[in-house]
Amino acid sequence: GENVEQHPSTLSVQEGDSAVIKCTYSDSASNYFPWYKQELGKRPQLIIDIRSNVGEKKDQRIAVTLNKTAKHFSLHITETQPEDSAVYFCAASNQAGTALIFGKGTTLSVSS
Amino acid sequence: DGGITQSPKYLFRKEGQNVTLSCEQNLNHDAMYWYRQDPGQGLRLIYYSQIVNDFQKGDIAEGYSVSREKKESFPLTVTSAQKNPTAFYLCASSIRVGSTEAFFGQGTRLTVV
Repeated sequence: GENVEQHPSTLSVQEGDSAVIKCTYSDSASNYFPWYKQELGKRPQLIIDIRSNVGEKKDQRIAVTLNKTAKHFSLHITETQPEDSAVYFCAASNQAGTALIFGKGTTLSVSS
Repeated sequence: DGGITQSPKYLFRKEGQNVTLSCEQNLNHDAMYWYRQDPGQGLRLIYYSQIVNDFQKGDIAEGYSVSREKKESFPLTVTSAQKNPTAFYLCASSIRVGSTEAFFGQGTRLTVV
């Protein structure tokens, strides 16, 4: 089945720096790639997503890039703030297009 | 927080007992999912349902069962056959299966003693 690898597992940055989280997926049939943010004790919430017909998408300080050939996609957060501290999950649609398969998560810590 | 509701938030059960976790949504979504979250393991898919009266096994279905008798409801039963049931369980729903945004409930933390 689909497998999603996410790196790094932990990431510490200074406020104002950029943060990059990378994911690879195994199934070339995957066509939807969302990113979720989970703050401590809360539910995961979608922050940005990208479909396979697009190479890059931006939303203010957040951007996602997709390389279909290499089967990897990345989350870029610029000008990080302490409130960006959370666990971030990437996901990819499975081969049948019936569910999302998640990476293991990245714990981002932004220190001021 | 409306939309998708899980109950209870915390659940304690004795080993060997079956337990059912509730998940209800009022978003009129066709698809519903159950994920298990363990530290360092991410979210692993247990079961999903595309429509009423239909459900499919995910990657870690052993020891779990589900039903989908109503569009709004997708309860998960953790049976005594599940070897390590203590975990955080998340229910989600989406307009349709797979390639659309999934909305998550607040989760149920199950502890088996």
